[in-house]
Amino acid sequence: NAGVTQTPKFRVLKTGQSMTLLCAQDMNHEYMYWYRQDPGMGLRLIHYSVGEGTTAKGEVPDGYNVSRLKKQNFLLGLESAAPSQTSVYFCASSEDGYGYTFGSGTRLTVV
Amino acid sequence: GQSLEQPSEVTAVEGAIVQINCTYQTSGFYGLSWYQQHDGGAPTFLSYNALDGLEETGRFSSFLSRSDSYGYLLLQELQMKDSASYFCAVRSLSGGYNKLIFGAGTRLAVHP
Repeated sequence: NAGVTQTPKFRVLKTGQSMTLLCAQDMNHEYMYWYRQDPGMGLRLIHYSVGEGTTAKGEVPDGYNVSRLKKQNFLLGLESAAPSQTSVYFCASSEDGYGYTFGSGTRLTVV
Repeated sequence: GQSLEQPSEVTAVEGAIVQINCTYQTSGFYGLSWYQQHDGGAPTFLSYNALDGLEETGRFSSFLSRSDSYGYLLLQELQMKDSASYFCAVRSLSGGYNKLIFGAGTRLAVHP
């Protein structure tokens, strides 16, 4: 089982560029989440989805957009990248909102 | 608002017992979870407490006191591979949906 797969694993962007991070899960989970992790700050929730076609804002949503057109995929978009968005991005999914399964992360650097 | 506090670092020796505390403030509390993360890796689920008391899973135990807004993770018979960061996370219901809010993490270093 692949579990939760994130692509790409690494990316370097120039300030102002846009990009989309893809998260795919093969466990038929309803819930999906995007977190960012910065040194000393733990994981902060960006956006999440409780089912196909639904999304909601988390703690730090500004500068990001998401879409969940298919149950298995949750896309995170950066509209105009800024150096403050340099971070490690983790996607997670959950069947019932209790135990989360995380992907291996995307390390993004904005220069 | 929501906030969680846990120590930033803990050091212990192999074979010992260590306790990592977590205090929280949140509305719509549903439970407390613990996750482990090795350097460069993804967080992995360790435990979940919805009710007061102790939950044991092998060498790891987790405790919750809802009245004190407090929980802890207990690691016994420490091994070198337990060196990692440990995050507590509250499961809360807000805006009609439940989600996990994480603490900043505790870095555990296990020495021989």
